[in-house]
Amino acid sequence: DTGVSQDPRHKITKRGQNVTFRCDPISEHNRLYWYRQTLGQGPEFLTYFQNEAQLEKSRLLSDRFSAERPKGSFSTLEIQRTEQGDSAMYLCASQTGNQPQHFGDGTRLSIL
Amino acid sequence: GENVEQHPSTLSVQEGDSAVIKCTYSDSASNYFPWYKQELGKRPQLIIDIRSNVGEKKDQRIAVTLNKTAKHFSLHITETQPEDSAVYFCAASIWGGGNKLTFGTGTQLKVEL
Repeated sequence: DTGVSQDPRHKITKRGQNVTFRCDPISEHNRLYWYRQTLGQGPEFLTYFQNEAQLEKSRLLSDRFSAERPKGSFSTLEIQRTEQGDSAMYLCASQTGNQPQHFGDGTRLSIL
Repeated sequence: GENVEQHPSTLSVQEGDSAVIKCTYSDSASNYFPWYKQELGKRPQLIIDIRSNVGEKKDQRIAVTLNKTAKHFSLHITETQPEDSAVYFCAASIWGGGNKLTFGTGTQLKVEL
């Protein structure tokens, strides 16, 4: 068990560009969550998957955001046409059964 | 939806003293309440959790209490140490209903020597 892995750790991009983040959950964890955390705030729920099915999306997830988990293993989160307000830490967590959610180190996105 | 409020936002204690952080939640259906510790630049790490079928849970120097009627829960850290310095987040969720976590705004705990 190597824990939840996220890539990249940091992403700097210009406003208007598209970015994609990857999350590799703990193996055999069937649930995968994406959260966004801004400075001085707690993580905010974005979306979650059970296996490959995306079961819930937050209102925070605008049309510019899309997430996938094609084979029920790793997941990607894509942001199109990035805006200044997208600057944040994007956290991934995974969970199974009665176990708590385990978080990755996150991807810090900075929009220039 | 669920709303979680957390107080205080900052807390400074002397080493060896106790620290208490309080949270309230709004959704009476919430039944799972974890606490996470986050050091600067690192991932949130679970330190203790409690389900609504118990009123208190303890793990060494850390304890959590839950009052379902009042919809509030608290984290208690005894004999604080410098390594306890971090941001602590409470959260609430409906276990079995997707388990998405609604977090409080965090408490910056500083343990001074």
